[in-house]
Amino acid sequence: GALVYQYPRRTICKSGTSMRMECQAVGFQATSVAWYRQSPQKTFELIALSTVNSAIKYEQNFTQEKFPISHPNLSFSSMTVLNAYLEDRGLYLCGAREDQNTLYFGAGTRLSVL
Amino acid sequence: GDSVTQTEGQVTVSESKSLIINCTYSTTSIAYPNLFWYVRYPGEGLQLLLKVITAGQKGSSRGFEATYNKETTSFHLQKASVQESDSAVYYCALGGTGNYKYVFGAGTRLKVIA
Repeated sequence: GALVYQYPRRTICKSGTSMRMECQAVGFQATSVAWYRQSPQKTFELIALSTVNSAIKYEQNFTQEKFPISHPNLSFSSMTVLNAYLEDRGLYLCGAREDQNTLYFGAGTRLSVL
Repeated sequence: GDSVTQTEGQVTVSESKSLIINCTYSTTSIAYPNLFWYVRYPGEGLQLLLKVITAGQKGSSRGFEATYNKETTSFHLQKASVQESDSAVYYCALGGTGNYKYVFGAGTRLKVIA
C-alpha cells in the first residue's frame, strides 16, 4: 500500500531560525507532493504543490523565499521554514499523490517556535 | 473560489448510536470534483477514510459511508453504530483530477462516549 513517512514528528526552534522537514513516499511513485499547514484553530492550508520536473507552484501568502521546497525524485521531498516566527507554528503535512485523484499524507511535523 | 463546509466543532455520540457529520461543497473551478473524508486520530497524521470520484456513488470504509450528491452538493459522513475507537477529527475535502489542490473543511471532532 501507499505509505508516506514524514519527519521529524515534532520540532522546536528559536524565533528567527530555520527548520527542515522531509517527506518520503514508500511503495509508490509520488509524481506530485503537496505541502499543507494547519495553524492553531484553522484548517489545512495549501502552501505549495510540487511536481517532479515542473516548477513548484506556491499559493497566495506563501513564497519560495520563506518555504523553499526540494523534490528531486519520485520518492522524496523536503521543505524548509526559513526565519520561523510565532505565526509559523502549526502542523505541517506533506501529501503525496499516487494516482490522479488521491493524496496520501504523512503523520505531519509539528513546529513550535520559541 | 472553492470551499467545503462541515459540521462545526465537536460532536458527542454515545457508543453504538448512529452518527452523521454534514459536509457541503462549493466549486467554481472544478467541473467534476472528487470528494474525500480524511480522519486524524490523536497524535497521528491524516488518513484517507474514503473517497468518491463519481457523482451518485457511495463510498464506504470501516463502517462509515458517504454518498456524493451533486444535486445538493453534499457528501455527508454516516455510521450506523459508532465505537469509542472512532473518536478522532474528521475532515471533508474537495479535489480535482490531476494536480489540482485539495480544499479541506474545518474539521469535526467526534467524541464517542461509553
